[in-house]
Amino acid sequence: GQQLNQSPQSMFIQEGEDVSMNCTSSSIFNTWLWYKQDPGEGPVLLIALYKAGELTSNGRLTAQFGITRKDSFLNISASIPSDVGIYFCAGRENSGGYQKVTFGIGTKLQVIP
Amino acid sequence: SQTIHQWPATLVQPVGSPLSLECTVEGTSNPNLYWYRQAAGRGLQLLFYSVGIGQISSEVPQNLSASRPQDRQFILSSKKLLLSDSGFYLCAWSVRLNQPQHFGDGTRLSIL
Repeated sequence: GQQLNQSPQSMFIQEGEDVSMNCTSSSIFNTWLWYKQDPGEGPVLLIALYKAGELTSNGRLTAQFGITRKDSFLNISASIPSDVGIYFCAGRENSGGYQKVTFGIGTKLQVIP
Repeated sequence: SQTIHQWPATLVQPVGSPLSLECTVEGTSNPNLYWYRQAAGRGLQLLFYSVGIGQISSEVPQNLSASRPQDRQFILSSKKLLLSDSGFYLCAWSVRLNQPQHFGDGTRLSIL
């Protein structure tokens, strides 16, 4: 079945530093999504990517849809304390007529003031 | 604008008791609706999705069931809860199956 590997699983960074996380899949996706989840809340969509090679920014966040369509990364520049949370990637593929979405296990980000 | 509501936010239930979690979406018609479970330290596992009233698809065999009695209402149920049903349950919606999903705030379910 589909495997989606997200790394790192956890990271600590100093406030002001840049951070990068990525996801790789065992098969091709037609969409990549990045979400952020704060404790006790549901994930919130950050960026959606629809085309291979697409590079999209949302404020200090930048994400790219890999050329092979099997990977994506999310960069956060100049981190701030409110960036703390769990970041999930998700990939969408056609599966028997249904647009199946698979989520990574998340990257837990801690920002040290 | 569209909003999604889940309740309750937190629930503690004894083993063997029934369950009913409710999710409603406002500001859109005929949304696609989803139920996910998130175990501690794990990713999101899709349990059910629905493309219309009365249409439910199950992704994994389990102790839970889902129903969609109205266009914007999605209910997750169980007749007898198991300890393994503990977790964080999230409802989500999307305009179409190929559009991003938007999540509610979740229900933390603890089984004692």
